Amino acid sequence: IAGITQAPTSQILAAGRRMTLRCTQDMRHNAMYWYRQDLGLGLRLIHYSNTAGTTGKGEVPDGYSVSRANTDDFPLTLASAVPSQTSVYFCASSEVGAGEQFFGPGTRLTVL
Amino acid sequence: GQNIDQPTEMTATEGAIVQINCTYQTSGFNGLFWYQQHAGEAPTFLSYNVLDGLEEKGRFSSFLSRSKGYSYLLLKELQMKDSASYLCAVRDSNYQLIWGAGTKLIIKP
Repeated sequence: IAGITQAPTSQILAAGRRMTLRCTQDMRHNAMYWYRQDLGLGLRLIHYSNTAGTTGKGEVPDGYSVSRANTDDFPLTLASAVPSQTSVYFCASSEVGAGEQFFGPGTRLTVL
Repeated sequence: GQNIDQPTEMTATEGAIVQINCTYQTSGFNGLFWYQQHAGEAPTFLSYNVLDGLEEKGRFSSFLSRSKGYSYLLLKELQMKDSASYLCAVRDSNYQLIWGAGTKLIIKP
């Protein structure tokens, strides 16, 4: 693994289904983030974690949950998907409070 | 509220110079970032400014004026591969990044 990986690359999901997007980093960064990117809008923060065992809500957390059991993994779960959650989801990591964020390749999610 | 403004789209010619502006109003300021994002790919880091002035890195330079809430990204000797979206982001008082919607740069031969 080099950097940040995300899985799946893309997914089509029926409304009401549960879905977990996976994110793993090997840079030993303390901080990790989940963003969604929609056409015409900037990246919007969903949830973040400054260290293993802690998480926080971003700008658009409703309908999403996260966990941070260890330093490397930061999964994002949609408990019951809705069409408005159709988006491209990016996971990122950084050192806490300093430095740039490094992004994974993204997951393109379509909810029908 | 917090707001980052940048032009939606710009067009420039290969070999020329282009300046992409970014204005911001945020709760606190702990640095400004520029990222490049090619279509269908992840954003990648270009530059970081926390003090006023110009930071130069090869063909790319970034300028910051904190008193004016203003930054620009200057791209010189444009190449076709520079066709991408350029994202401005400000780190606020909570050390979270607030992102602009991005400027799509189209390079014509």
